[in-house]
Amino acid sequence: NAGVTQTPKFQVLKTGQSMTLQCAQDMNHEYMSWYRQDPGMGLRLIHYSVGAGITDQGEVPNGYNVSRSTTEDFPLRLLSAAPSQTSVYFCASSNVGGEAFFGQGTRLTVV
Amino acid sequence: AQKVTQAQTEISVVEKEDVTLDCVYETRDTTYYLFWYKQPPSGELVFLIRRNSFDEQNEISGRYSWNFQKSTSSFNFTITASQVVDSAVYFCALSEIISGGSYIPTFGRGTSLIVHP
Repeated sequence: NAGVTQTPKFQVLKTGQSMTLQCAQDMNHEYMSWYRQDPGMGLRLIHYSVGAGITDQGEVPNGYNVSRSTTEDFPLRLLSAAPSQTSVYFCASSNVGGEAFFGQGTRLTVV
Repeated sequence: AQKVTQAQTEISVVEKEDVTLDCVYETRDTTYYLFWYKQPPSGELVFLIRRNSFDEQNEISGRYSWNFQKSTSSFNFTITASQVVDSAVYFCALSEIISGGSYIPTFGRGTSLIVHP
């Protein structure tokens, strides 16, 4: 029962470094998405995908890049980390109208 | 403009009190879906309920109940006889067609519920 697997759980980056947050789902869901959670701001959509090869921007896409080469995987890349990207990141997958299944979250600190 | 408004930032109650968490949404679609999620202190997001726009029937699950009213665009969540274990952040979410024809959930800012023993 893997569901959505998100790695790593914790990460500390220096300003300017790049990294990739991994996300994989085994439920054959069409939709995958990345959110960031900041205190008092709820979950804000960064990028999303409606299928392999198709991605689009959400509410807060700047500084992030995504790709979806397979149905299962949807990595999130931080191109040049900034302190403003310190946050908790969640990957999710879903089908039309269905509930979103979330990964365990990644707590990222940029110093 | 916020699509999902949870006006209550934090609610504090004493155990066994009933508590209602408000959720107001905004959409022009006739087909949409509404959800509630719970985020306990451990941080994971736990799905609680899903409602589609054509089903206004209220739902009860144990101590939890949900009131969906299209006329007021609200989907409120009531916990009866609250318990300390109910302490968590609760998110309301709306899934509607966004650009590209996809349904991706939009979340409210969450309501932090603190239940004191």
